[in-house]
Amino acid sequence: DAMVIQNPRYQVTQFGKPVTLSCSQTLNHNVMYWYQQKSSQAPKLLFHYYDKDFNNEADTPDNFQSRRPNTSFCFLDIRSPGLGDAAMYLCATSRDRIETQYFGPGTRLLVL
Amino acid sequence: QQPVQSPQAVILREGEDAVINCSSSKALYSVHWYRQKHGEAPVFLMILLKGGEQKGHEKISASFNEKKQQSSLYLTASQLSYSGTYFCGTEPAGGNQGGKLIFGQGTELSVKP
Repeated sequence: DAMVIQNPRYQVTQFGKPVTLSCSQTLNHNVMYWYQQKSSQAPKLLFHYYDKDFNNEADTPDNFQSRRPNTSFCFLDIRSPGLGDAAMYLCATSRDRIETQYFGPGTRLLVL
Repeated sequence: QQPVQSPQAVILREGEDAVINCSSSKALYSVHWYRQKHGEAPVFLMILLKGGEQKGHEKISASFNEKKQQSSLYLTASQLSYSGTYFCGTEPAGGNQGGKLIFGQGTELSVKP
């Protein structure tokens, strides 16, 4: 029973062509996170939502945006992907702050 | 500030023990431990909230020394399934951090038959 679902699992896009990654959850958790993970590196937090309250990390590029239309769904929009944006994008949820984060399987983004 | 994990990599024979350390330069509220296998998402192992707290999960346990801003993950009698990259995720103490975690660089653990 999937709890955190990410689509697509693999995404190929062209340099500069906008792309949207999606995340959905069946846990009814309040908090949703987006992480970027490059090869052999730690996951890096991009932003998170506590309910509808959006929290952006200071070093997240302006190229990255997010939307959370309801509790279950959260989207990551990359407006003009560059080669350096190729990475695994992980969505995670937690019931509340300072609680276990459950990760989805990730979307691997390739930029050509 | 990213916590520092040590060692960066370790190779074990099945049945051997290992310790992975996570050290922060900042005061910590909590430490989370995750294991990630290649190409997969991180999987939660345990969370430690209080200084001096220890937790165990089968043959994997962890401790958290709040004063030293350190946590250690102990793997005993390792199994092949323990192979993967282990990350500690730290939450800084004080203020409303929103539960966000800063992950260490990871420790790659390989268990050989």
